[in-house]
Amino acid sequence: DTEVTQTPKHLVMGMTNKKSLKCEQHMGHRAMYWYKQKAKKPPELMFVYSYEKLSINESVPSRFSPECPNSSLLNLHLHALQPEDSALYLCASSHKNRATGANVLTFGAGSRLTVL
Amino acid sequence: GIQVEQSPPDLILQEGANSTLRCNFSDSVNNLQWFHQNPWGQLINLFYIPSGTKQNGRLSATTVATERYSLLYISSSQTTDSGVYFCATRGGSNYKLTFGKGTLLTVNP
Repeated sequence: DTEVTQTPKHLVMGMTNKKSLKCEQHMGHRAMYWYKQKAKKPPELMFVYSYEKLSINESVPSRFSPECPNSSLLNLHLHALQPEDSALYLCASSHKNRATGANVLTFGAGSRLTVL
Repeated sequence: GIQVEQSPPDLILQEGANSTLRCNFSDSVNNLQWFHQNPWGQLINLFYIPSGTKQNGRLSATTVATERYSLLYISSSQTTDSGVYFCATRGGSNYKLTFGKGTLLTVNP
């Protein structure tokens, strides 16, 4: 079982719908990430939150709106999506080990989104 | 930004065979991870290995940072090893992990 929990596992939505993807971790990690993955491609970074502040936005369209309500939760609000936004959305978290310098990403199982 | 290249892109093995997957990167890195993505999409962290060698059961990994490559060894492969293997690394940024395109491994019974 993954220590990063994503819900829902599957989501089908129309182009006019508003929906949200949710991610939760209880490992005390202070960095959380959203990645988008299309079929047969590697994950692509969308957003990074560090200590609950948005630190990286990889020029993601505004129809994707991230939110970090607290250090354990990360949401991705979806509105007016296009069919080409259909993909696997992966959440991850990480924390830097001060002693070793290791900064290991742990991924959730993903939310598979289909936009009709 | 950092470029990450993986080879081979595809690999088909019979159960029990050994294999070596390679990851080349274009610049100095402070982080390198190997992941396995199973057919259901779950990305599992296999190794955090910015340098040196680590082993975990039938899997081992070696990174030679000065020569900018990392190798993942799979011995006595099993059908459950099938999936995509990604290497990913960071350069200067603390947060942006750049992924290679992956190696699709198929292990046949």
